Amino acid sequence: DVKVTQSSRYLVKRTGEKVFLECVQDMDHENMFWYRQDPGLGLRLIYFSYDVKMKEKGDIPEGYSVSREKKERFSLILESASTNQTSMYLCASSQAGAKNIQYFGAGTRLSVL
Amino acid sequence: AQTVTQSQPEMSVQEAETVTLSCTYDTSENNYYLFWYKQPPSRQMILVIRQEAYKQQNATENRFSVNFQKAAKSFSLKISDSQLGDTAMYFCAFMIYTGTASKLTFGTGTRLQVTL
Repeated sequence: DVKVTQSSRYLVKRTGEKVFLECVQDMDHENMFWYRQDPGLGLRLIYFSYDVKMKEKGDIPEGYSVSREKKERFSLILESASTNQTSMYLCASSQAGAKNIQYFGAGTRLSVL
Repeated sequence: AQTVTQSQPEMSVQEAETVTLSCTYDTSENNYYLFWYKQPPSRQMILVIRQEAYKQQNATENRFSVNFQKAAKSFSLKISDSQLGDTAMYFCAFMIYTGTASKLTFGTGTRLQVTL
């Protein structure tokens, strides 16, 4: 079974803090993704990576950055957390190719106070 | 840009009954894939069913089936013999291949409650 692990289920941070959300997958997938999930808005893509050190912006990249130094690990970084970044963050991974499904982690619920 | 619309924020169905969740999408692409994902309460999102746009035959997976109407850009999910474990948030999603990765666009979700 594919396993996508997010390091924290719940996280509470203060405004202005630098926040790291970590995601690890164990299936040697080329692609990894970060989404945020908000009620009434569904899931929105923040960033994705199609190879080590390669990244592309998604639909809502503002206020976020990412890092992928190793194939299995994809980090989402909030340089200076703000209250409007309070949300559920989901990581996903998939094989390369046109139709491969994405496998999701359990999510990190981040609260910025 | 692709958009996905789920017009039913919440639905309820009794156990053993059948329920249909609706989804429409808008795209100018011809080759794409459609998905239904399920997110149970406090658990991770899992794939329910996938449909390839070039296939006319509707996909089925056990009690789950889709009604794919390409011309109408409609992709509904039918759950037969509903079970309590089907209680979840259901997301319809559209996928296109960008040349670097396949990107998903999600709808806003339908919260399904299965009752006794």
